[in-house]
Amino acid sequence: EVQLVESGGGLEQPGRSLRLSCAASGFTFDAYAMHWVRQAPGKGLEWVSGISWNGDAVGYAASVKGRFTISRDNAKNSLYLQMNSLRAEDTALYYCARSSGWYEYWGQGTLVTVSS
Amino acid sequence: EIVMTQSPATLSVSPGERATLSCRASQSITSNLAWYYQKPGQPPRLLIYGASTRATNTPARFSGSGSGTEFTLTISSLQSEDFAVYYCQQHNNWPYTFGQGTKLEI
Repeated sequence: EVQLVESGGGLEQPGRSLRLSCAASGFTFDAYAMHWVRQAPGKGLEWVSGISWNGDAVGYAASVKGRFTISRDNAKNSLYLQMNSLRAEDTALYYCARSSGWYEYWGQGTLVTVSS
Repeated sequence: EIVMTQSPATLSVSPGERATLSCRASQSITSNLAWYYQKPGQPPRLLIYGASTRATNTPARFSGSGSGTEFTLTISSLQSEDFAVYYCQQHNNWPYTFGQGTKLEI
């Protein structure tokens, strides 16, 4: 069974940092690209970042470029999102998702709240 | 960035009726479009990818069509569990982008 479990969310002040993790199991992790998608409270889905199977290709939404860094550790079946210079508008539920272009598998999400 | 526009924002339909949801891309995405639905407190669930291919366990009452810039999701006979928010997503180019959603309500 495919499982994606996010962690690392919480309440943080504007300008500070958080690191999200996503632990994957039930599939060959290094065969898939992995992405982060977020959803602000009561709002729609927003693609945040993606990384290729081997980490050679990464992409970011304009809203987070220069502040967030995506990475992965295939030996640990884990995906990460380093979030720096946090802003109030980064407040959202952050999902990791397995990408085949589309997202067949999603985690339950980890909530990030940015507030002073 | 490719902008995805869904219509209508809200669709009111009775159980057993047919529902048609639309999604438009700001430029051609060939057939690289997915549909999801989401219920409160749950992650999105994939329904359709490649514009018309049903995902595993997607009921046959769901069908997707279109190519280029115009796409449609049709639900042939609405069941109670189908009332949710539906999103389209283009998977043609990074940044992948989602539509703003269509709320399907009773």
